[in-house]
Amino acid sequence: NAGVTQTPKFQVLKTGQSMTLQCAQDMNHEYMSWYRQDPGMGLRLIHYSVGAGITDQGEVPNGYNVSRSTTEDFPLRLLSAAPSQTSVYFCASSYSSWTGGNSPLHFGNGTRLTVT
Amino acid sequence: GIQVEQSPPDLILQEGANSTLRCNFSDSVNNLQWFHQNPWGQLINLFYIPSGTKQNGRLSATTVATERYSLLYISSSQTTDSGVYFCAVDDAGGTSYGKLTFGQGTILTVHP
Repeated sequence: NAGVTQTPKFQVLKTGQSMTLQCAQDMNHEYMSWYRQDPGMGLRLIHYSVGAGITDQGEVPNGYNVSRSTTEDFPLRLLSAAPSQTSVYFCASSYSSWTGGNSPLHFGNGTRLTVT
Repeated sequence: GIQVEQSPPDLILQEGANSTLRCNFSDSVNNLQWFHQNPWGQLINLFYIPSGTKQNGRLSATTVATERYSLLYISSSQTTDSGVYFCAVDDAGGTSYGKLTFGQGTILTVHP
């Protein structure tokens, strides 16, 4: 059982380049989300999705795009990379409890991105 | 939005010692989780605990929702407990859809 898989593990970009961070989960979770982690700032939500075809913005969405065409995949796109986007990116997933409550969040191992 | 404050920011222990980490939050929550980020950067979910007490081996957690705080207890600490401990919450009514607000973490170092 792979859980949440992120690729690549490391990436270096030049300012202005674009790229897509991949995230896939095999737990049939409805909810998926992207966070970034910067030193001293904890994790901050970028975008999230409540199911295929449905996405919404989090706390720091500028400069990022997402789409959710399948339950399993939730890619994060950087359209024109900037040094301020140097960070560690985590993808996470959780399921919808049949009781209407919440479930534990499962994280991928992260992608360390450097923009020069 | 909701504010999450964790204390202490840093904690250094000798192996075998006990510790208590605290998480204060500024509003009512429907979702509170504790995570451990190990030295390799992996985030592991320790507890989903919007209220009450749970135990898992040497770790236990208590959330007093009416007083807006949660405590994580680590007993008989081991070097493998080192890392950063995060508290994360959501004040949304009902399902939070995996959207959490994180505290800044407590950095725990356990020396042999």
